[in-house]
Amino acid sequence: DIQMTQSPSLLSASVGDRVTLSCKASQSIYNSLAWYQQKLGEAPKLLIYDANSLQTGIPSRFSGSGSGTDYTLTISSLQPEDVATYFCQKYYSGSTFGAGTKLELK
Amino acid sequence: EVQLVESGGGLVQPGRSLKLSCAASGFTFSSFPMAWVRQAPKKGLEWVASISSGGGGTYYPDSVKGRFTISRDNAKSTLYLQMDSLRSEDTASYYCARKGVQLGWYFDFWGPGTMVTVSS
Repeated sequence: DIQMTQSPSLLSASVGDRVTLSCKASQSIYNSLAWYQQKLGEAPKLLIYDANSLQTGIPSRFSGSGSGTDYTLTISSLQPEDVATYFCQKYYSGSTFGAGTKLELK
Repeated sequence: EVQLVESGGGLVQPGRSLKLSCAASGFTFSSFPMAWVRQAPKKGLEWVASISSGGGGTYYPDSVKGRFTISRDNAKSTLYLQMDSLRSEDTASYYCARKGVQLGWYFDFWGPGTMVTVSS
């Protein structure tokens, strides 16, 4: 089974910071990767699919990149409403989610 | 507007059964594959079942295979999850999710979830 490892597990940043979250697969997942944002008490929301495609309605400060085994979600300028837990999901050879990165304001 | 609303959760004893429902609206339900994803309290997300748009194809991870059954009624725009032989580790919020419009099995819309607690 392909394992997904997200880092860091907790990230503190200030409003306006550029923030980078990492998701690593134990083998290549051929860009079959999505990113979700989950705010406290809410359902997950799709941000990025196919590693770098921005879902309709998502602000352009969110972007995805990467290939092979290493993928990144970047928030270009952190906003207060971005406080949430972020999950990656691989959908090559089955579906598996990472453990999440909790993003908080410094 | 796409809406997914789960129901049927609650407290159930270990070994018993429970059936969840998800009412869909705002899109052509019969055109989209669907799935259930769960989240144990303060834990991460786990995919538990998927179904093709017509209902002929169903898929499960090993953790629930043989105990959970996903189904759909396209005439009623409703997705179901029959959960049998429930265990304490099945305690979680269960989300209904729609497969995205591109090829891959990512999920573009989610319901608010329904809580299932397995305990004696």
